[in-house]
Amino acid sequence: DTGVSQDPRHKITKRGQNVTFRCDPISEHNRLYWYRQTLGQGPEFLTYFQNEAQLEKSRLLSDRFSAERPKGSFSTLEIQRTEQGDSAMYLCASSLVPLKETQYFGPGTRLLVL
Amino acid sequence: QQQVKQSPQSLIVQKGGISIINCAYENTAFDYFPWYQQFPGKGPALLIAIRPDVSEKKEGRFTISFNKSAKQFSLHIMDSQPGDSATYFCAASLISSGSARQLTFGSGTQLTVLP
Repeated sequence: DTGVSQDPRHKITKRGQNVTFRCDPISEHNRLYWYRQTLGQGPEFLTYFQNEAQLEKSRLLSDRFSAERPKGSFSTLEIQRTEQGDSAMYLCASSLVPLKETQYFGPGTRLLVL
Repeated sequence: QQQVKQSPQSLIVQKGGISIINCAYENTAFDYFPWYQQFPGKGPALLIAIRPDVSEKKEGRFTISFNKSAKQFSLHIMDSQPGDSATYFCAASLISSGSARQLTFGSGTQLTVLP
């Protein structure tokens, strides 16, 4: 069990550019979550996958955001036409349901949009 | 109704003291209340969690007290150590149609334990 990993750890981009983040969950975890955390705040739910199916999206997830989890393993989160308000830490978490409800978080990808 | 309110925003305690962080929730459907600890540059890590059918849960130096009627729960850190210095988040989640136990987090408490 190597934990949840995320790549890259840091990303600086210019406004209007597209960015893509990757999350590798704990092996065999069937649920994968994306959260966004801004400075001084708690994480906010964005979306989650049950295996490869995206089952819920927060209203925070505008149409510029898209997430995928092909084959039910790793996941990607893409932000198109980035805006300065997208600057945040993007956290990925995974869990194994129904055996254990604990969500294990990765280290996050810190995005700065200039 | 998804909000979780956390206080204080920051807390400074002496080594060996008791750290107390409080949270209040609005949605009575919440059925799982975890506390997460986050160090700078790291993701949140589960510290301890409680279900609403018990009033207290203790794991080592960490205790959750839960008051269902008041819709409040708190984290007590006994014998606080400098290594406990971190940001603590309370959270709550629920099972409902379409929900994945998404966590609703409080705004966090930055704890500093002085040596």
